Amino acid sequence: EPEVTQTPSHQVTQMGQEVILRCVPISNHLYFYWYRQILGQKVEFLVSFYNNEISEKSEIFDDQFSVERPDGSNFTLKIRSTKLEDSAMYFCATRGGYNSNQPQHFGDGTRLSIL
Amino acid sequence: AQKITQTQPGMFVQEKEAVTLDCTYDTSDPSYGLFWYKQPSSGEMIFLIYQGSYDQQNATEGRYSLNFQKARKSANLVISASQLGDSAMYFCAMREGANDMRFGAGTRLTVKP
Repeated sequence: EPEVTQTPSHQVTQMGQEVILRCVPISNHLYFYWYRQILGQKVEFLVSFYNNEISEKSEIFDDQFSVERPDGSNFTLKIRSTKLEDSAMYFCATRGGYNSNQPQHFGDGTRLSIL
Repeated sequence: AQKITQTQPGMFVQEKEAVTLDCTYDTSDPSYGLFWYKQPSSGEMIFLIYQGSYDQQNATEGRYSLNFQKARKSANLVISASQLGDSAMYFCAMREGANDMRFGAGTRLTVKP
């Protein structure tokens, strides 16, 4: 069964540094998402991406964050000037079509630890 | 405002028994979808079941069924014949129209042998 692939599985970074989290969506999927889950807490929506542009973003997704799909395959989340509170699990999710009944398929996540 | 509410932070069930995990939602959009995901201790998010707002029948997927009560705006997940491997966090989520999915706070289910 096709999978969403995220790399790295674990990223440890010094506070203030930039990180790039990578996601390879399922090949025929059109809608891409990033979510964040702080340890022990709920899954929080960050941003959705369709047709090479952001379609929706949450209040969490401020100027510190950016997304792009530079080569038509990888979907990346960049976090600039990382802070301690950015430590979390970051999930990429993708969805095939417009129909609202289609679930989002999640990758296994990247655990980001800011020191 | 909270769109998805899961009022049970933790639930316990005896192995082989059935358990119901509660989920209520709030929307004024007539077109919406409700989803349940399982998150085991390994961390991945596993899609379990979907219910559409226009569906006439409750969704079922194997041991999972969704008790959809539209007037009450509830979409409770029922797991029958619980297994030890069902121990996990369970998240209810909703998508309104073409908007993006939002999650509840989750319920931690522990299955006792």
